[in-house]
Amino acid sequence: GESVGLHLPTLSVQEGDNSIINCAYSNSASDYFIWYKQESGKGPQFIIDIRSNMDKRQGQRVTVLLNKTVKHLSLQIAATQPGDSAVYFCAENFPGGTSYGKLTFGQGTILTVHP
Amino acid sequence: NAGVTQTPKFRILKIGQSMTLQCAQDMNHNYMYWYRQDPGMGLKLIYYSVGAGITDKGEVPNGYNVSRSTTEDFPLRLELAAPSQTSVYFCASSEGPKSSYEQYFGPGTRLTVT
Repeated sequence: GESVGLHLPTLSVQEGDNSIINCAYSNSASDYFIWYKQESGKGPQFIIDIRSNMDKRQGQRVTVLLNKTVKHLSLQIAATQPGDSAVYFCAENFPGGTSYGKLTFGQGTILTVHP
Repeated sequence: NAGVTQTPKFRILKIGQSMTLQCAQDMNHNYMYWYRQDPGMGLKLIYYSVGAGITDKGEVPNGYNVSRSTTEDFPLRLELAAPSQTSVYFCASSEGPKSSYEQYFGPGTRLTVT
């Protein structure tokens, strides 16, 4: 999961395993939560989002779970592939009124998938 | 579509110099954003724009300025560069209110201030 400091959390898995990446968000007033993937040397890429009135949302091979009670978000990747190796960021919207897509990003988790 | 493009890819500045980071998108997106990413950290929002002629500050605007004269372009200006501005800068765009969190990012500009 996310942590304070310069050393990113890391997760190593074998190809074909399921991966779970965790994130603790900060603001209970946020109403959108988003996961982005960033491959080395590239800009982040949108994966999936979830509104605060939901606790689960599924995409293609990915599932996001939201637990508002403990302010926790997770991204599950099924049948992880080497191409999933990247840094994964959770983000939350700026709370209050119309946020215009303004986001606060977490520190990120490095996912390494071994063939 | 080229998506979001940024120039230059790399730049080294001396302390006190100024420069403009260019960003353009060809998706006709209304919303555009500038972020900086320091080593081992997430992205922080510098400025954003919801349309031509409309800009506003994000989380870390000090030392930067922006303009948005067209829908396509959203340049970021650094005046009096400081070592604390050494970072990777990302520009992003999104379609508008209903999908503002699905942002499309450019490849980034790596800036070093020495």
